[in-house]
Amino acid sequence: QVQLQESGPGLVEPSQTLSLTCTVSGGSISSDTYYWSWIRQPAGKGLEWIGRFYTSGSTNYNPSLKSRVTISVDTSKNQFSLKLSSVTAADTAVYYCARTYNTWGQGTLVTVSS
Amino acid sequence: DIVMTQTPLSSPVTLGQPASISCRSSQSLVHSDGNTYLSWLHQRPGQPPRLLIFRISNRFSGVPDRFSGSGAGTDFTLKISRVEAEDVGVYYCMQSTQFPYTFGQGTKLEIK
Repeated sequence: QVQLQESGPGLVEPSQTLSLTCTVSGGSISSDTYYWSWIRQPAGKGLEWIGRFYTSGSTNYNPSLKSRVTISVDTSKNQFSLKLSSVTAADTAVYYCARTYNTWGQGTLVTVSS
Repeated sequence: DIVMTQTPLSSPVTLGQPASISCRSSQSLVHSDGNTYLSWLHQRPGQPPRLLIFRISNRFSGVPDRFSGSGAGTDFTLKISRVEAEDVGVYYCMQSTQFPYTFGQGTKLEIK
C-alpha cells in the first residue's frame, strides 16, 4: 500500500523560500500513470490546490501561485518536492502531498514568521 | 477559475438518518474526454482528507455503500443513507476537470 510522508521546516521567515519533500513508500513514483500533487489548508479553512506533477513529465500550477511555485521529482529517492518562494504570513498552512487524491500524506504545518 | 459552491455549510443530523450535500460548479465539469471529474472528500479533525467518491458516483476502495454520489454538468449531490458517528467532519467537493483544480468551501456534518 502506497504511503506518503511530508517533511521540511516547520518555520520559514517571511520573504524566504518554503521547501517541502514528499517521500513515497510502498510504490514507485515513476512506475504508474499517477499524478502527484500539493494541496494546502490554512488553519480552520478550506483546501487550496497548489499544483501537480504527472508521471508523463508535465507539471501544472495554480495561477495564483504560479510565479512562486516549483514542483519537482527525484525518482532516485522516490520523492517529489515543493518550493514556494517569497513567502508571507498568508502562506502559513498545513501542506499535504497526495497521489491522484486517493492517497494523502498526513500533512505538515508550515508557519511563516520572523 | 471554476467556483464550487456547497450547500449547506453546516448539517446537524441524527444518527441513523440520511444526509445530503449539494455542490454546484460555476461551469460545466464535463471534460473534453467525456468524463466529469467531480470528487467528494471527507476530512475528520486533525486528519488529511480522504477520497470517498470520484467521477461523480464511483465509490473509492473501502468506502461504505451508504455513501453515494450523483449529478451531472454543474449540479452534484453526495448522499449518506444512514449517518453513523464516524461520518462527522467536513465534506468537500472538488473539481479536477479544469486547471486550477478547485474545492468547495466544505460542509460540516455534525450529530444532533
